Amino acid sequence: DTGVSQNPRHKITKRGQNVTFRCDPISEHNRLYWYRQTLGQGPEFLTYFQNEAQLEKSRLLSDRFSAERPKGSFSTLEIQRTEQGDSAMYLCASSLDGPPQETQYFGPGTRLLVL
Amino acid sequence: AQSVTQLDSQVPVFEEAPVELRCNYSSSVSVYLFWYVQYPNQGLQLLLKYLSGSTLVKGINGFEAEFNKSQTSFHLRKPSVHISDTAEYFCAVTRYNQGGKLIFGQGTELSVKP
Repeated sequence: DTGVSQNPRHKITKRGQNVTFRCDPISEHNRLYWYRQTLGQGPEFLTYFQNEAQLEKSRLLSDRFSAERPKGSFSTLEIQRTEQGDSAMYLCASSLDGPPQETQYFGPGTRLLVL
Repeated sequence: AQSVTQLDSQVPVFEEAPVELRCNYSSSVSVYLFWYVQYPNQGLQLLLKYLSGSTLVKGINGFEAEFNKSQTSFHLRKPSVHISDTAEYFCAVTRYNQGGKLIFGQGTELSVKP
């Protein structure tokens, strides 16, 4: 197993542009999570999927953010009309279904810089 | 709602010395607790987790943590650190049956000096 992969690893964009990130979870993991990490802070939960169903969205996830997981495999996170405050590391994690709490395996992240 | 506080943002220590990274949480219900490590330019890796049972949890790389319900703490310890332990360490909590959403602390930067 190659682990969780994310693409691209880095993205530089201009304010107002749309960006899309992709996450490929560990195969057979039915849960997929998105987190955002800013400099000097711990990761903050954004949203998660159980198979293809998006079960929870954080209040941090404004209307400009949308996530999908078609067919319950890979996931995409799109940010429309990016703002400088969106600059952060976007982390994806996957796990098996619990209970008990299954370990979340994290990808290397996509670092976004909005100019 | 849960929250996690890591009491030290930076911990400098000499090689082969013991270290303790402190973590306190707040929650009105039972929780699961985790420690993750993040090496430079890498994703987070699980060190150890407490789900139930023995309050002393052993993890990878010689780390261990003790769950203290009365003090709502989950401090991470290692008796002798190596240069390679230099990294950012995150404490995290989740509630039972909450879909696994992790709430992280702000992180502690462990710097091991020769």
